Amino acid sequence: DTGVSQDPRHKITKRGQNVTFRCDPISEHNRLYWYRQTLGQGPEFLTYFQNEAQLEKSRLLSDRFSAERPKGSFSTLEIQRTEQGDSAMYLCASRSDRGTYGYTFGSGTRLTVV
Amino acid sequence: DQQVKQNSPSLSVQEGRISILNCDYTNSMFDYFLWYKKYPAEGPTFLISISSIKDKNEDGRFTVFLNKSAKHLSLHIVPSQPGDSAVYFCAASAGDDKIIFGKGTRLHILP
Repeated sequence: DTGVSQDPRHKITKRGQNVTFRCDPISEHNRLYWYRQTLGQGPEFLTYFQNEAQLEKSRLLSDRFSAERPKGSFSTLEIQRTEQGDSAMYLCASRSDRGTYGYTFGSGTRLTVV
Repeated sequence: DQQVKQNSPSLSVQEGRISILNCDYTNSMFDYFLWYKKYPAEGPTFLISISSIKDKNEDGRFTVFLNKSAKHLSLHIVPSQPGDSAVYFCAASAGDDKIIFGKGTRLHILP
């Protein structure tokens, strides 16, 4: 069990650029979640997948954001035309339908938009 | 609209004493509650949980109490240890597989 892996750990980008983050969940976990955390706040739900199906998207996820989970394994989160307000920690988590309710989180990708 | 509220941004407790972290919620549909612990530069780590059908759950030094009528839960850590210094997030779910987090309480364990 290697845990939930996120890549990159840090990303600095210029406003207006596109960025893509990757998440590799624990291999037997069929549910995968994306959260965003800004300074002084708790993690905020963005979207989640059951296998390859995206089941829910938060209204925080504007049309500049897109998430995919092809083949129900790893997931990518893309942000197009980044804005300074997108600067945050992006957290990925996973769990199994058969496991405990608590998610296992990755260490996150810290995005800084300059 | 903050559905899960942690009104104390920080708390300092002497090593060996009891740490009590509090959490209030507004959504009466929440039926599962969790506590997460977070160290700097790491993702949150699941600590303990409780279903709404219970009023107490214990795991080693950690106990969570749920008062549904008051929409309040608390996490007790006893005895507190230096490694417990971290940010603690209270979280809740309404059974839709989406967990809602509070803003967190930073716990400092003093030597």
